[in-house]
Amino acid sequence: GAVVSQHPSRVICKSGTSVKIECRSLDFQATTMFWYRQFPKQSLMLMATSNEGSKATYEQGVEKDKFLINHASLTLSTLTVTSAHPEDSSFYICSASLTATGELFFGEGSRLTVL
Amino acid sequence: AQRVTQPEKLLSVFKGAPVELKCNYSYSGSPELFWYVQYSRQRLQLLLRHISRESIKGFTADLNKGETSFHLKKPFAQEEDSAMYYCALTPGGGNKLTFGTGTQLKVEL
Repeated sequence: GAVVSQHPSRVICKSGTSVKIECRSLDFQATTMFWYRQFPKQSLMLMATSNEGSKATYEQGVEKDKFLINHASLTLSTLTVTSAHPEDSSFYICSASLTATGELFFGEGSRLTVL
Repeated sequence: AQRVTQPEKLLSVFKGAPVELKCNYSYSGSPELFWYVQYSRQRLQLLLRHISRESIKGFTADLNKGETSFHLKKPFAQEEDSAMYYCALTPGGGNKLTFGTGTQLKVEL
């Protein structure tokens, strides 16, 4: 089946630094990827839709300058948390859409801890 | 705006007992409804979608437009069914998912 991989799975950084999380579709091309955020014991919240070759579409309330998304190829989307603060600590998950069926495949998630 | 409600955070049943995980939604159009499952230490994966009308791992879910519900059911719970279950919705034809808060199913021996 289709596999989506995220890297890193865990990252700890200091407040004020920027962190990049990668989302790769390993065996299929994904024109559309999605980024979610999940707080402890809460649901996944869609942050943005990442489209290959164009600007990401952000959900209401998500700061686009804070969470930079780049989808430069059909197999890679990156989420950069800029000037991270402790309140940005969360579990970030990506998904990629298999064009043929529209089915979504999820990455394993990346846990960000900002000290 | 669409919304998905899963009223139970935790559902505990004995092995062999029937299971029903509740899901209600609100959306003005014709949505697509899904159930996703996350087993311990694994990634989220699709369990079933209403348009497929199929049974996966013994689970079924029927879309009830009158009650705006999409409850997940299984007649006989098995230990390996213990997991986190999320109900999700997309506007018809799209794939931007809105998730419910999830229900942790625990199947006890």
